[in-house]
Amino acid sequence: KQEVTQIPAALSVPEGENLVLNCSFTDSAIYNLQWFRQDPGKGLTSLLLIQSSQREQTSGRLNASLDKSSGRSTLYIAASQPGDSATYLCAVSNDMRFGAGTRLTVKP
Amino acid sequence: NAGVMQNPRHLVRRRGQEARLRCSPMKGHSHVYWYRQLPEEGLKFMVYLQKENIIDESGMPKERFSAEFPKEGPSILRIQQVVRGDSAAYFCASSRESGSPNNEQFFGPGTRLTVL
Repeated sequence: KQEVTQIPAALSVPEGENLVLNCSFTDSAIYNLQWFRQDPGKGLTSLLLIQSSQREQTSGRLNASLDKSSGRSTLYIAASQPGDSATYLCAVSNDMRFGAGTRLTVKP
Repeated sequence: NAGVMQNPRHLVRRRGQEARLRCSPMKGHSHVYWYRQLPEEGLKFMVYLQKENIIDESGMPKERFSAEFPKEGPSILRIQQVVRGDSAAYFCASSRESGSPNNEQFFGPGTRLTVL
């Protein structure tokens, strides 16, 4: 059974810092890994999808990497801004198992 | 191209009543997934449907919960005889395909169910 873990559970940084969020999974037989953002009381916004054959994906200040063999993915956020404050979730497919998320706070 | 639509956004029910949650997938998407998010917890998969078929309901409670995705119209998640523990946010997602590296899911805004 796939287990997805996200570390840290919460992170608080000053504005402008670069930061890394971690996601690990136990079963490397995945189709893809998806990173989402969830604002309080809102739905999920898809940030990046990394296919199983890819190593990384970039969108603006976001960069996500995937190492299937070690069961890890990282989400790198450059030059963080207060508007980045949200909960970040990773999910692995086949069966879309979610991690519990990392709650990020970027202080002005 | 409208995203995934869910309604109602907020639903209040008394214990023992029925709750019906609706989800319209994105245009061109024939795969629908339902998730539940309990307060301060992560998302839990409930059920995966294609048109007129339930593909995987391994996350669905065995009693009181049912889901359908008819040939015409939205997908419906139905909860009978609701209890306070059913209070949660219910999210629907859709995708164009499944079982492939291109399977990107897009989420609706959720329905927040409160059981009094």
